[in-house]
Amino acid sequence: QQQVRQSSQSLTVWEGETAILNCSYENSAFDYFPWYQQFPGEGPALLIAIRSVSDKKEDGRFTIFFNKREKNLSLHIKDSQPGDSATYFCAASGNNAGAKLTFGGGTRLTVRP
Amino acid sequence: NSKVIQTPRYLVKGQGQKAKMRCIPEKGHPVVFWYQQNKNNEFKFLINFQNQEVLQQIDMTEKRFSAECPSNSPCSLEIQSSEAGDSALYLCASSPSGYEQYFGPGTRLTVL
Repeated sequence: QQQVRQSSQSLTVWEGETAILNCSYENSAFDYFPWYQQFPGEGPALLIAIRSVSDKKEDGRFTIFFNKREKNLSLHIKDSQPGDSATYFCAASGNNAGAKLTFGGGTRLTVRP
Repeated sequence: NSKVIQTPRYLVKGQGQKAKMRCIPEKGHPVVFWYQQNKNNEFKFLINFQNQEVLQQIDMTEKRFSAECPSNSPCSLEIQSSEAGDSALYLCASSPSGYEQYFGPGTRLTVL
């Protein structure tokens, strides 16, 4: 049973477009939702995160929209650049410090110039 | 950028051999996590520590896997008797608070 699910394995957008990556989860106890960006040969890098008390978090070109009632969230990457081409992972954890992360399967984003 | 250091970056072992990898968490981060990422991009949590104490670990780690985070020394993850299915990227993450986790580059283990 997949507790965190990313609906698309891959997504291709043109440079300058907004890329939208979707994620859903099943466990109502999840409270903290980070998104990670991973390039080949590297570890995942923390991009942006949101707590379940918020419905939106913005950091530069990256925005998380969160819907607690529907148990889903999305990462919007505005003005996509070829350098944004990577695999993006949605993750979730409970509200206790030290809680493990549960990851989605990842979405491979390709930004075409 | 994460300052978590993992060594070695690549590790090749034969089946039945011991495999050991190390992690130096970011300074000031008392919580350390180990995850396994397989070739299908599936992450599996293995164990975590707060300072030197184990917070949580999965059953698998109690058998062939062992880990420790001694004070003033790197954290380590060791597989006593490697199996082909252990081939994966082993990721160490550290956290200042237990929420946001910062990953190192990983140790890619290949078991022949």
